[in-house]
Amino acid sequence: DSGVTQTPKHLITATGQRVTLRCSPRSGDLSVYWYQQSLDQGLQFLIQYYNGEERAKGNILERFSAQQFPDLHSELNLSSLELGDSALYFCASSGRDFPDEQYFGPGTRLTVT
Amino acid sequence: DQQVKQNSPSLSVQEGRISILNCDYTNSMFDYFLWYKKYPAEGPTFLISISSIKDKNEDGRFTVFLNKSAKHLSLHIVPSQPGDSAVYFCAASHTGANSKLTFGKGITLSVRP
Repeated sequence: DSGVTQTPKHLITATGQRVTLRCSPRSGDLSVYWYQQSLDQGLQFLIQYYNGEERAKGNILERFSAQQFPDLHSELNLSSLELGDSALYFCASSGRDFPDEQYFGPGTRLTVT
Repeated sequence: DQQVKQNSPSLSVQEGRISILNCDYTNSMFDYFLWYKKYPAEGPTFLISISSIKDKNEDGRFTVFLNKSAKHLSLHIVPSQPGDSAVYFCAASHTGANSKLTFGKGITLSVRP
């Protein structure tokens, strides 16, 4: 158990809809990272927050947004969903503002039908 | 553009033998490298890392070698155990603004009893 929790575990929704994925980092960790893993793809970095502020951005679509709240949990919002958004979404946390050792949650599997 | 490449999608070795997992990178700015292990239905777990100022780092049965001139790193597992069967991801990052982890697509290691 990494100490990082993600909800929900599974999500099935229709194209055009909007969903919110939630992540609680390990106790004391200030950095939260979001990743997308599609079929046959490695982990694609989406975005990082550190103590409430956006720190680094990857190839995150404009339809996607994220935020980190004062209690350090984070939410990833995916809107106008397309079939290609079906993937595993992982959240990770670390204690530093540098992408070294990160602790990953179990992921949220999103299926868009 | 794959900046971190794991060209072999799978590897099968006998229990007790050495497993060698390879990784190549193209971005010369990368100065920190990590290996993660992933079991099905779980998030990736940090395994071992190496900074570009070193060429070797060892942790128990796991050793990572870095060849900066060849932009190549490898993970050695000795001796291999059936519990090592998993997907192994190589990742790289660089210091500086907008730093993030860039992952390879992973190698599936199977250790035969």
